[in-house]
Amino acid sequence: EVQLVESGGGLVKPGGSLRLSCAASGFTFSDAWMTWVRQAPGKGLEWVGRIKTKTNSGTTDYAAPVKGRFTISRDDSKNTLYLEMNSLKTEDTAMYYCTAALGYWGQGTLVTVSS
Amino acid sequence: EIVLTQSPGTLSLSPGERATLSCRASQSVRSSFLAWYQQKPGQAPRLLIYDASSRATGIPDRFSGSGSGTDFTLTVSRLEPEDFAVYYCQQYTSSPWTFGQGTKVEIK
Repeated sequence: EVQLVESGGGLVKPGGSLRLSCAASGFTFSDAWMTWVRQAPGKGLEWVGRIKTKTNSGTTDYAAPVKGRFTISRDDSKNTLYLEMNSLKTEDTAMYYCTAALGYWGQGTLVTVSS
Repeated sequence: EIVLTQSPGTLSLSPGERATLSCRASQSVRSSFLAWYQQKPGQAPRLLIYDASSRATGIPDRFSGSGSGTDFTLTVSRLEPEDFAVYYCQQYTSSPWTFGQGTKVEIK
């Protein structure tokens, strides 16, 4: 059974940093393009970014609102995806989901940016 | 960036009725790399359709997707009580991958 379990969310002040993790199991993690998607309270889905597999150079892409502040990385030896978030803004407050191959989603971890 | 516009914003229907949801792209979605998701309150989205018309594993055949280029449609042939939810389209043909703003299907 495929499982994606996010962790690392919490309350952080504007300008602060946070690192989210996503532990994957039940599929060959190293073969999967992984993405982060977020959803602000009461709002729609917003794509945050994606990391390709190592065989595709592990290339990353980001949405404009997070480019330069967020970094996606992966550790295939640990079957874990990361989202490093810096210079956080109040508008980054959202539930953050990791996803694999479109169809697999975690349950999300909540990030709240507030003073 | 490809902008996806979904219509209508809200669809009020009764169980047993047919639902037709639209997703229009600001530029062509090459290779029909378009997906549809269903989301219920407090839950993660669930993939319904990928590549515009292929049903994901375990999705009932009352859900169907069609379209190409810039115009795509999700059809639910006969609404079941569990189908009342918010639906999103997403394109994955070019980065950044983008979502539509969603269509809420509510009970009339």
